[in-house]
Amino acid sequence: NAGVTQTPKFRVLKTGQSMTLLCAQDMNHEYMYWYRQDPGMGLRLIHYSVGEGTTAKGEVPDGYNVSRLKKQNFLLGLESAAPSQTSVYFCASSYRRGLAGLGDNEQFFGPGTRLTVL
Amino acid sequence: GQNIDQPTEMTATEGAIVQINCTYQTSGFNGLFWYQQHAGEAPTFLSYNVLDGLEEKGRFSSFLSRSKGYSYLLLKELQMKDSASYLCAVRSLGTDKLIFGTGTRLQVFP
Repeated sequence: NAGVTQTPKFRVLKTGQSMTLLCAQDMNHEYMYWYRQDPGMGLRLIHYSVGEGTTAKGEVPDGYNVSRLKKQNFLLGLESAAPSQTSVYFCASSYRRGLAGLGDNEQFFGPGTRLTVL
Repeated sequence: GQNIDQPTEMTATEGAIVQINCTYQTSGFNGLFWYQQHAGEAPTFLSYNVLDGLEEKGRFSSFLSRSKGYSYLLLKELQMKDSASYLCAVRSLGTDKLIFGTGTRLQVFP
């Protein structure tokens, strides 16, 4: 199994350009997440999805859109990139927690995409 | 709101024991996770605590006190490969979202 994969690994954009980051998982996980990681800020949740066809906002959703048309894929879009979106982007996935809600549904992370916006 | 605090950096010697603390404030607690992240790599899961007490996994242990909003990660018999950042993350009640602390960068010296 490949686990969680992300494409591309690196990308340089000019301000105002658009792009889509692709995340794919082969573990049949229901939940998928997009984070950004900046120095001194830790991992911050951008958007997440609890199932195919559903998405929800995280802590820092502005400037990003997402889609989950297939269970195994979660796309993150930047419509008009800004220098403030220079970051490392991580995708993650996890199982649905058990009915008791106490399951340790750990998140599995992809290798990351390093994005620079000039 | 939620707030998670952990030290920014720590150093230790190979073979020693190190404890990395994490304090949190949350409106409803439903689990605490520890992740390890080597430089330039993805975070990987280390441990999970939802009830008070100690969870042991080989050289790594994690402790939780819900009444104090406190957890620690204990690393024994340190090895050079343990040099990494350690991320504390809290899950709130009724959600599957994690809020991460800023991470503790641990450097292990020979």
